[in-house]
Amino acid sequence: KQEVTQIPAALSVPEGENLVLNCSFTDSAIYNLQWFRQDPGKGLTSLLLIQSSQREQTSGRLNASLDKSSGRSTLYIAASQPGDSATYLCAVSPMEYGNKLVFGAGTILRVKS
Amino acid sequence: DTAVSQTPKYLVTQMGNDKSIKCEQNLGHDTMYWYKQDSKKFLKIMFSYNNKELIINETVPNRFSPKSPDKAHLNLHINSLELGDSAVYFCASSLSDRGRDYGYTFGSGTRLTVV
Repeated sequence: KQEVTQIPAALSVPEGENLVLNCSFTDSAIYNLQWFRQDPGKGLTSLLLIQSSQREQTSGRLNASLDKSSGRSTLYIAASQPGDSATYLCAVSPMEYGNKLVFGAGTILRVKS
Repeated sequence: DTAVSQTPKYLVTQMGNDKSIKCEQNLGHDTMYWYKQDSKKFLKIMFSYNNKELIINETVPNRFSPKSPDKAHLNLHINSLELGDSAVYFCASSLSDRGRDYGYTFGSGTRLTVV
């Protein structure tokens, strides 16, 4: 059974810091891994999608890497801003089931100005 | 706007009532989903439909019945609501090929409160 773990559960950093959020998954047989952002009381916004054949994806100040064999992904946020404060969710699409995402519990990020 | 839209955004109802949540996507995706986010903010799949066919039913009580009239719509009907059904329900869609999806788009959620 696929399980996704995110570390740390919460993170508070001063503005301007670079930071790394970690995601690990127990079964490497995945189609892809997706990082989402969720603001309080809001829906999920897709940040980056990494297909299983890819090693990383970049969008602006965000960079996500995928090491499928070790079951790990990291989300790197450069030069953090208060507007980055949100919950960051990692999710994998398992090959075993298809057509579903298995989510981690999320990392709550607070960037202080 | 291309999006996944779900209504209503908020739903407060009494125990025992029956309610529906509607979802529509105009992204041309062929697979739609319902996810539940509980009080601990953990997201878990409930159902997935591919081209109007039920693909995944993830140990959800029979009181929950999804209906997909066409590829662009997936509604969720809940009978005999219970206090434990209080949660945020998210609709999502994706383009898929034999089980492999190419990224999800989520709606903004429906916060259901059962009193």
